[in-house]
Amino acid sequence: SQQGEEDPQALSIQEGENATMNCSYKTSINNLQWYRQNSGRGLVHLILIRSNEREKHSGRLRVTLDTSKKSSSLLITASRAADTASYFCATDRGYSTLTFGKGTMLLVSP
Amino acid sequence: GAVVSQHPSRVICKSGTSVKIECRSLDFQATTMFWYRQFPKQSLMLMATSNEGSKATYEQGVEKDKFLINHASLTLSTLTVTSAHPEDSSFYICSARDRTSGSSSSYNEQFFGPGTRLTVL
Repeated sequence: SQQGEEDPQALSIQEGENATMNCSYKTSINNLQWYRQNSGRGLVHLILIRSNEREKHSGRLRVTLDTSKKSSSLLITASRAADTASYFCATDRGYSTLTFGKGTMLLVSP
Repeated sequence: GAVVSQHPSRVICKSGTSVKIECRSLDFQATTMFWYRQFPKQSLMLMATSNEGSKATYEQGVEKDKFLINHASLTLSTLTVTSAHPEDSSFYICSARDRTSGSSSSYNEQFFGPGTRLTVL
């Protein structure tokens, strides 16, 4: 069953703006991961945050995790048209068994 | 980096036929492979976990006789959709986990294949 719920479901912004996506989950986790998927393609791993971490950065990506609220956010700064894709959070309940959220479709217009 | 391939990338078949999808880890050995399906504009749903040399573990609601999984080697897992129906049309994605780590508390990155688009007429 789906554990993660992302919001918004769709996000449309202009190049240069920041994009924030949120993810909520229901059970305890080992870690939470964010993935990107271009239309009709496989998934690309973006970043992982462990359950004992609160914030992590990777390039233009910033991820936060609040285990008390069972939520995470992904911030993409200075967005580019090439960032247009669907973004999914996935929770790892152990042994890398991932449960994916419903995803956010991000559209970045030039 | 770790690469996972899938074959075929697209397949169209008639109702009632069986379709086999291959998932290969190209530059690493995968003790565990995962199979997902994804409907248009929806998320990935885990179908089953495939461990090399043993029977696959299916998620609730997934028919094991319908979706046959074989993980015969450390680099190959196959998913066979038997007696396909139009409702089986979907995007099927596999992923593989490197065998070098195996603790439930450690992070074992999954590497995803590019997916297979199945259309059943």
